[in-house]
Formats: sequence, C-alpha cells, structure tokens
Amino acid sequence: DAGVIQSPRHEVTEMGQEVTLRCKPISGHNSLFWYRQTMMRGLELLIYFNNNVPIDDSGMPEDRFSAKMPNASFSTLKIQPSEPRDSAVYFCASRHLRQEGETQYFGPGTRLLVL
Amino acid sequence: KNEVEQSPQNLTAQEGEFITINCSYSVGISALHWLQQHPGGGIVSLFMLSSGKKKHGRLIATINIQEKHSSLHITASHPRDSAVYICAVIGRSNFGNEKLTFGTGTRLTIIP
Repeated sequence: DAGVIQSPRHEVTEMGQEVTLRCKPISGHNSLFWYRQTMMRGLELLIYFNNNVPIDDSGMPEDRFSAKMPNASFSTLKIQPSEPRDSAVYFCASRHLRQEGETQYFGPGTRLLVL
Repeated sequence: KNEVEQSPQNLTAQEGEFITINCSYSVGISALHWLQQHPGGGIVSLFMLSSGKKKHGRLIATINIQEKHSSLHITASHPRDSAVYICAVIGRSNFGNEKLTFGTGTRLTIIP
C-alpha cells in the first residue's frame, strides 16, 4: 500500500493566490482528516470526514478555507485568497471508521509558504 | 492552560537510557494517541489507547484514566528514536466526534 498521498509536497505562492492541496487516503479507509502544523500553534485539526461527509469543521480558520471530499479516494483543501499567515505544513490522515484501536495514518504533508 | 500538557518539552539522553515522556490532560477523553514526528517532518501514529498499557517493540504507552495522565516509555534508547513525540486526545464530550486535541510535543534527542 502506498500510504496516504499528498500533493504537492511543497508550494510557494504569493498572497492573494488560490491554493489547492490534495489528498488520497489509504484504500479502504473511510475517515479522513486535515491538519495544520505551525511553530506557534503546533498541530491543529481543521476538518474531518466520515464516509465523505464533513463531520467537524470547527477548526477551519475562516471562510477562506474550504474542504471537499467528492469520493472515497480524494479530498481537497482550498485556500482562497491565501495570506502569509497560512504558511504551515498541512497534513492529511486517514483511518478505518469504527475499527477498534485503529490509529490514524498520516501523509507526508504539504509545506506551504505564502509570500 | 492547554487541555493537553506534555513534559518535558525537551529531553536529551545518552544512547541506552530509559526514556519517559509524560502527558496530562484536563478533559474527559475517549482515547489518547501518541505520535512520533521525525526530523524530516513525517508523522507516525505510535499508539492509540483508552485504558491500561500497550507495548510495541521498545515502546510502551500507559494511561491512567482516573489521574488523566499517560506516559510513553522507550527502553534501550537509540539515536534513531530522536524525534518529537506528541500526545493527542479525543474528547469524550461529543459522541462519535474524533476531533484530536494535541499537546505541544516533546523533542527527544538521543546522543550516541
């Protein structure tokens, strides 16, 4: 299994531009999480999906952020317009829903720099 | 005060030493995770536990629900154990909600 796949691995963009981050969960996993990590705030959950349905988006910073999961094998996190304070590493993770003791599997992350 | 507190923040030890990292939390939880983040940035979930103890190789995780405390132990530490170890909890407040709240991490450095 290839694990959780994220793209791009690195993104440098200018303030105001739209940024789209992509995630492919592990095949068969039906729970997907988006996290953000910064030096100041550490790791934070942004949103998570169960069976492609958003369950908790309380961590999404503001309306500039949106996430979709159109099918079980793909999710996007979009920032429009981007701002320098959005610079962070964004991780996607997946797991089996309701499988007792199942941990989350993290992708390699996307390192975003907004200039 | 953060809901999840870790100690120490930084730990440097000699190869072979027994390592203990602590995590205290202030909310009722349904489960607790220990994560490992390597210098390259990748995150690996080491354990998820809701009671008792789990062991995987040289790693042992324990949790005391009454005391709201968990520990991660590493026996016979090795330089490749050098990483940031992060404690995260799933709150019990919302049934079925799997929102993780993270500690700030413990940076472990093992010197050969």
